[in-house]
Amino acid sequence: NAGVMQNPRHLVRRRGQEARLRCSPMKGHSHVYWYRQLPEEGLKFMVYLQKENIIDESGMPKERFSAEFPKEGPSILRIQQVVRGDSAAYFCASSHSRGFDTEAFFGQGTRLTVV
Amino acid sequence: QQQVKQSPQSLIVQKGGISIINCAYENTAFDYFPWYQQFPGKGPALLIAIRPDVSEKKEGRFTISFNKSAKQFSLHIMDSQPGDSATYFCAASRNSGGSNYKLTFGKGTLLTVNP
Repeated sequence: NAGVMQNPRHLVRRRGQEARLRCSPMKGHSHVYWYRQLPEEGLKFMVYLQKENIIDESGMPKERFSAEFPKEGPSILRIQQVVRGDSAAYFCASSHSRGFDTEAFFGQGTRLTVV
Repeated sequence: QQQVKQSPQSLIVQKGGISIINCAYENTAFDYFPWYQQFPGKGPALLIAIRPDVSEKKEGRFTISFNKSAKQFSLHIMDSQPGDSATYFCAASRNSGGSNYKLTFGKGTLLTVNP
């Protein structure tokens, strides 16, 4: 049973380009969470999705960021027109039932560098 | 506003010693307090978690002590080993819609255990 798979592991984008980060949850998991980790900081909540629905996007920047979790395929975090401040590690986690107290697992992250 | 304050920022312990990491929180609505371990290049992995109805929880060499009145909780690693060298994050969450999915993380403690 593979864990939470994120790809790519490393992504370099020039300012103004788009970044697409993919997260395949563990088998049987229908809840996905995205967190961002800035250098020297703890992880910060961005968005919680359940298949085809955004449950809570209160941590997402209002502009340029969007997330989806379609019926088929991985969850996608999209960042349009990237800026240097978007450079960070982006982690997704998944769980079978709602919430981290029901046993959720993090992926290895995508490290985004904006040059 | 940093809702979870973690200290120390870094910690060096000799093999066999006790590692102690402390966290303080502000939001009295928090009701779930996990600790995560993160190795370089990896995602955070849940170590141990506690709810405020108990003052202590032990799993192997790892113990959480919880002081509700002081709004503090700490991680104790007994008989620390070089393999424990990693970054440790405390986190806290309040129940939202029947689950704890929005974790607020501390900034992390880099633990080094010398052989």
